Amino acid sequence: LAKTTQPISMDSYEGQEVNITCSHNNIATNDYITWYQQFPSQGPRFIIQGYKTKVTNEVASLFIPADRKSSTLSLPRVSLSDTAVYYCLVGDSGTYKYIFGTGTRLKVLA
Amino acid sequence: GAVVSQHPSWVICKSGTSVKIECRSLDFQATTMFWYRQFPKQSLMLMATSNEGSKATYEQGVEKDKFLINHASLTLSTLTVTSAHPEDSSFYICSAPTSRKDTQYFGPGTRLTVL
Repeated sequence: LAKTTQPISMDSYEGQEVNITCSHNNIATNDYITWYQQFPSQGPRFIIQGYKTKVTNEVASLFIPADRKSSTLSLPRVSLSDTAVYYCLVGDSGTYKYIFGTGTRLKVLA
Repeated sequence: GAVVSQHPSWVICKSGTSVKIECRSLDFQATTMFWYRQFPKQSLMLMATSNEGSKATYEQGVEKDKFLINHASLTLSTLTVTSAHPEDSSFYICSAPTSRKDTQYFGPGTRLTVL
């Protein structure tokens, strides 16, 4: 199973763009990269998923370089409500298991 | 997105009793579901894979006789914590992959407190 590495914590201010990078050096050919957001005492919530290049939805963008050994979640103009833990996960295409890393604890300041 | 529910959302029980937690996929069928536990300020730890119609697969270090998993239908998996002790107090979360297996949807979690 691919292991992911992320910064443990980040601080940002309201209105700024936040980029969180995740390293997944042993990603397999069929693996997708998925990012989740988790608030205290809640289950993780799906944010965005991608395989390569760039994916954008209404809440975030995901940038994946050609070698796919890393990915960057970009949150435009964060607000206080974006304070949460963000997890980068690489799915196992055989068992569909996720192994969670530390996640990144994002704190948005006023 | 797909919806996964859990019941109950929180439970308090006495030491030595058993507690059952349900995980349901509300708008899709799930032949596989996953169970996690999460301690405060920590990441999610995968406990087991629940397989519809067959035995669950447990991760290393997870006691299968203590954490009983039953996947009775394509929309329901249950986790029973048997003879619960205070150290079993935790946040239990289930997830289910959709037809596109790379995407999983998580339940809201169940807070278990053992007195």
